[in-house]
Amino acid sequence: EAGVVQSPRYKIIEKKQPVAFWCNPISGHNTLYWYRQNLGQGPELLIRYENEEAVDDSQLPKDRFSAERLKGVDSTLKIQPAELGDSAVYLCASSARTGSNEQFFGPGTRLTVL
Amino acid sequence: QKEVEQNSGPLSVPEGAIASLNCTYSDRGSQSFFWYRQYSGKSPELIMSIYSNGDKEDGRFTAQLNKASQYVSLLIRDSQPSDSATYLCAGSGGKLIFGQGTELSVKP
Repeated sequence: EAGVVQSPRYKIIEKKQPVAFWCNPISGHNTLYWYRQNLGQGPELLIRYENEEAVDDSQLPKDRFSAERLKGVDSTLKIQPAELGDSAVYLCASSARTGSNEQFFGPGTRLTVL
Repeated sequence: QKEVEQNSGPLSVPEGAIASLNCTYSDRGSQSFFWYRQYSGKSPELIMSIYSNGDKEDGRFTAQLNKASQYVSLLIRDSQPSDSATYLCAGSGGKLIFGQGTELSVKP
């Protein structure tokens, strides 16, 4: 069984530029999460999807961050414009069913904003 | 603010010893708890989940939960150098809340 797939693995951009991250969850997993992990910290939830519906986006900085999961499978997280403080690893995770918190993480995208 | 607290370490143990990792949480509504292992530069990997008070064993790993004390622990028996990683504790009362992780170093 393939795991969670993310791309790109690394991204370096200048501040004020846009950036997008893509995630394909484990097949059959309806719940998808985007997390941000800063160095030396645990992951922090940005947004959770149940199928195509964003059910928890309370921690998503909506002035510059957006996300979509149009067909309830793949998801894209976008930052526009990026700021220096956005440098972090962006992790996508999925779980098999609503209410399950046994989450499986993708390899992450390491973003560096210069 | 719901919190999960871990000692950031580093915790250093000799090969073959028992490593004990601890975690406390503030949200009494948390029902399920998880331990993730994260190697340097890699993403978190789920290694244990525990939902009820007591112990849960899986190979060399034992998770312990005490809801009255709001305390979760992970014991690693016969520690190996390959166990050297950061261990993240997470609790869920709906949303998964992670601690900052404990760095474990197992010395040959």
